Amino acid sequence: SQQGEEDPQALSIQEGENATMNCSYKTSINNLQWYRQNSGRGLVHLILIRSNEREKHSGRLRVTLDTSKKSSSLLITASRAADTASYFCATDVQGAQKLVFGQGTRLTINP
Amino acid sequence: NAGVTQTPKFQVLKTGQSMTLQCAQDMNHNSMYWYRQDPGMGLRLIYYSASEGTTDKGEVPNGYNVSRLNKREFSLRLESAAPSQTSVYFCASSEAWGETEAFFGQGTRLTVV
Repeated sequence: SQQGEEDPQALSIQEGENATMNCSYKTSINNLQWYRQNSGRGLVHLILIRSNEREKHSGRLRVTLDTSKKSSSLLITASRAADTASYFCATDVQGAQKLVFGQGTRLTINP
Repeated sequence: NAGVTQTPKFQVLKTGQSMTLQCAQDMNHNSMYWYRQDPGMGLRLIYYSASEGTTDKGEVPNGYNVSRLNKREFSLRLESAAPSQTSVYFCASSEAWGETEAFFGQGTRLTVV
């Protein structure tokens, strides 16, 4: 089974609203990353948060990490049509030299 | 700076045929990965190479083999393609496994009929 699971699987909001996506994982991690994938394209890195960090910002993105609950959230503020994409969390599993992805949240921003 | 380059972009195979997917990165990264993406399944790790000279199985390695030819190149081979291997394949690389951002290629859309 996969390490990370995103929630919700799909999210549709109006332009200008905030979008929140959640990620839960199962084992201890060193860091957690968020990626975006536009339809038919490869994934693009958004932000990395380390296990000793609780919150991180990058432009309109805000990521939180709660290692006690093994969960993370990605908040996109003031959404734009161009934010329409799938968003994935990825974790590096401690003791295993690999990057494991969740199933993704498909975000649709309606104009 | 091309980043991660995958070839081919599209491929149709008949059941039982073999093929190799090529991946090259020009960022001097140590780690390289092969993922497959299926609808509703997200990305699943097939094989990875944490550094030149090493390869390890991921979540779904059956039916695949890999070769880390040198630091730049990491190929994925299907010896006898099956319809269940119809998928979009992504190659990725990172400076250090899991610790830094991964850069992805544009993907290979493979159909096995």
